[in-house]
Amino acid sequence: DIQLTQSPSFLSASVGDRVTITCRASQDITTYLAWYQQKPGQAPKLLIYAASTLQRGVPPRFSGRGSGTEFTLTISSLQPEDFATYYCQQLNGDPVFGPGTKVVIQ
Amino acid sequence: QVQLVESGGGVVQPGRSLRLSCAASGFTFSSYAMHWVRQAPGKGLEWVSFISYDGSKKYYVDSVKGRFTISRDNPKNTLYLEMSGLRAEDTAVYFCARDGFYHDSGGPFDYWGQGTLVTVSS
Repeated sequence: DIQLTQSPSFLSASVGDRVTITCRASQDITTYLAWYQQKPGQAPKLLIYAASTLQRGVPPRFSGRGSGTEFTLTISSLQPEDFATYYCQQLNGDPVFGPGTKVVIQ
Repeated sequence: QVQLVESGGGVVQPGRSLRLSCAASGFTFSSYAMHWVRQAPGKGLEWVSFISYDGSKKYYVDSVKGRFTISRDNPKNTLYLEMSGLRAEDTAVYFCARDGFYHDSGGPFDYWGQGTLVTVSS
């Protein structure tokens, strides 16, 4: 089974900061990777799929890169509404989610 | 607009059964595969089950195989999850989600319901 790890698991940042979250897969998943944002009490929201394609309606400050086993989600300038938990998900076979990265206000 | 609304959650004793429903609207339900995803209190997301757009293919995470059954009624635009032999570790918010690929599978989960809470406790 493919496993995902995310780093860091917890990130403290300020409004305007550039932040990057890394997701690593236990085996090559080419670009079968998506990123989601979840706020407390809400359903997850799709941000990026196919590793780097921005979902319609998602602000361009979000971007994704990577292929194979290493992927990144970058927020170019953190906004107040971006404080949330972010999950990566691999879609090469049975879907698997990463453990999440919580982004909090510094 | 696309809407997914789950129902059927509640408190149930260990070993008992429960059926969750997910009512879909705003899109051609019969053309999209669907998933169930759960989230235990304070924990991360766990994919639970998949059903193809026509119901011909079904997959489950190992921990629920033989206990949970996914199904769909396309004329009624409704997805189901029949859960039996419930355990304390099945306690979670259960979300239904749409697979983003039309008449296919393996896509990102582009729309989600608000979730329904299942609590397994004596």
